[in-house]
Amino acid sequence: EVQLVDSGGGLVQPGGSLRLTCTASGFTFSSYAMNWVRQAPGKGLEWVSGISGNGYGTYYADSVKGRFTISRDNSKNTMYLQMNSLRAEDTAAYYCAKGTVISSSYYSSNMDVWGKGTTVTVSS
Amino acid sequence: DIVMTQSPDSLAMSLGERATINCKSSHSILYTSKNKNYLAWYQQKPGQPPKLLIYWSSTRESGVPDRFSGSGSGTDFTLTISSLQAEDVAVYYCQQYYDFPTFGQGTKVEIK
Repeated sequence: EVQLVDSGGGLVQPGGSLRLTCTASGFTFSSYAMNWVRQAPGKGLEWVSGISGNGYGTYYADSVKGRFTISRDNSKNTMYLQMNSLRAEDTAAYYCAKGTVISSSYYSSNMDVWGKGTTVTVSS
Repeated sequence: DIVMTQSPDSLAMSLGERATINCKSSHSILYTSKNKNYLAWYQQKPGQPPKLLIYWSSTRESGVPDRFSGSGSGTDFTLTISSLQAEDVAVYYCQQYYDFPTFGQGTKVEIK
């Protein structure tokens, strides 16, 4: 079964850091770009970051550029999101999502498999 | 960024009625050399992640009931639920992937 399990969320103070993890199973992880998408409470979906299948291409929304770092370890079928300098407006459910283009490069695409989400709350 | 705008923000229909959701992009998302529109539709139920319904503007994802259909090209797109069922109560989002992904603001579908 194709599955994504995202974890690592929690309560953190403004200015703090957190690392999210997404563990994949059931497909050839290294063949697909991966993404992080977030959803603030009661709000819509916002793409946060994407990474190519080989991990060399990384891309960010302007709202997180310079603060968040996406990475992956294909030997562990795992993707990460390191979040630094967190702000109240980063409070959201964070979903990892699988792209659909088979390539070592990053291609924007629809997302066919999603994790259940992990919640990040930034508050003092 | 390509801005996606959905209408209406919410709609309430009776069971069995047709529901129509519109999505407009600020830039054409038709890749002319491939003749493909880079648009997807998702369904999100409370407490759940989004579920992919349709991609390439009109291709139904495997397992999605055929009462869901997508249409449109260029900048204007539509998701239609031909006969609304109780289990279709959800928020629906369009997403473009012509550029880095952006989503519409969502349309909440309820039963009248």
